[in-house]
Amino acid sequence: AQSVTQLDSQVPVFEEAPVELRCNYSSSVSVYLFWYVQYPNQGLQLLLKYLSGSTLVKGINGFEAEFNKSQTSFHLRKPSVHISDTAEYFCAVKAQNAGNMLTFGGGTRLMVKP
Amino acid sequence: ETGVTQTPRHLVMGMTNKKSLKCEQHLGHNAMYWYKQSAKKPLELMFVYSLEERVENNSVPSRFSPECPNSSHLFLHLHTLQPEDSALYLCASSQDRAGNYGYTFGSGTRLTVV
Repeated sequence: AQSVTQLDSQVPVFEEAPVELRCNYSSSVSVYLFWYVQYPNQGLQLLLKYLSGSTLVKGINGFEAEFNKSQTSFHLRKPSVHISDTAEYFCAVKAQNAGNMLTFGGGTRLMVKP
Repeated sequence: ETGVTQTPRHLVMGMTNKKSLKCEQHLGHNAMYWYKQSAKKPLELMFVYSLEERVENNSVPSRFSPECPNSSHLFLHLHTLQPEDSALYLCASSQDRAGNYGYTFGSGTRLTVV
């Protein structure tokens, strides 16, 4: 079974500052990794995913994440945030070639202040 | 428009009512999912359908009954719910049966049980 830990439930940051949202996972098998964003009163939207290859993954809206196998982490970063980035961010993990289950972390609320 | 449409967006029902949630995907995807999102809890997988066959039933109470009449439609039938069932119910679909490339989510149905 897999598990995902998002260490910060809330991250306040000023507009145009850099941000990092942390995600650590646990799994006995190789995994695929995902970041989703949820804006108020909406469903989840895929930001980026790591399936294989380069450990640095670029996604939409200027976000990127780096897969670190030795530290079992997949932290999300953006060099300069906007007010419109205020949302809930979810890290998720899925075992490769095993079942359908996507396991989500508890979410991190990013609050961008002017 | 995400390609996954959920109706209704909001639903208020009494504990003795029977209602249904509807999900429709226009993406040609092969698997569909129901997730429950409660306040302060991680997203919980409820059901998985792959090519109209239920492949996962994650210990969900029998008062929730899924139906997948074809690969584009997914329903969640509700009866004799409890107040703790109040939550955002999210439908998702994936291109491949295993969900290895991520999911596309709908905007959800906000359910309130009174």
